[in-house]
Amino acid sequence: DVKVTQSSRYLVKRTGEKVFLECVQDMDHENMFWYRQDPGLGLRLIYFSYDVKMKEKGDIPEGYSVSREKKERFSLILESASTNQTSMYLCASSFTGYGTEAFFGQGTRLTVV
Amino acid sequence: QKEVEQNSGPLSVPEGAIASLNCTYSDRGSQSFFWYRQYSGKSPELIMSIYSNGDKEDGRFTAQLNKASQYVSLLIRDSQPSDSATYLCAVILSLSGNTPLVFGKGTRLSVIA
Repeated sequence: DVKVTQSSRYLVKRTGEKVFLECVQDMDHENMFWYRQDPGLGLRLIYFSYDVKMKEKGDIPEGYSVSREKKERFSLILESASTNQTSMYLCASSFTGYGTEAFFGQGTRLTVV
Repeated sequence: QKEVEQNSGPLSVPEGAIASLNCTYSDRGSQSFFWYRQYSGKSPELIMSIYSNGDKEDGRFTAQLNKASQYVSLLIRDSQPSDSATYLCAVILSLSGNTPLVFGKGTRLSVIA
């Protein structure tokens, strides 16, 4: 079974803190993704990576950065957390190739107070 | 801007009926299409993928694709209360596999016992 594991299920942080969300996959997938999900807005892509040390901006990269030093690990960084970054964060991974589906982690519900 | 459109619902069907979920996409170059199911508070899980025109059946689920009309649908036969969830349509544009999934906002399905 594909396993995508996010480091925390629930997280509460203060405004201005630097926040790290970690994601690890065990299927040797080339591609990894970070989405956020908000009511009425659906899943929106923040960043993705198709190889180690490679990253591409998604639709809403502002206020976020990412790191991929190893193939199995993809980190999302909130440089200075703000209340409008309160959301469900979902990590996903997939193989490169025609039509390969993405598998999701369990999600991290982040609250910034 | 690549877009994937779904009716947000809720779509209410009685137990045992057929639920029909629809999705349209804007980019004619889209190649791969997926349906994910998401229970409240959980992460999306893949239930169907389809790549060529026509129907694809898997148990009680049938995915239908019409590339000329840029339309993909999901039929759920013999709907059960356990099918109550949000269904997300997702599309990949590129053949290369490095392009991330673009999601619709989802249709909430409610199966009434």
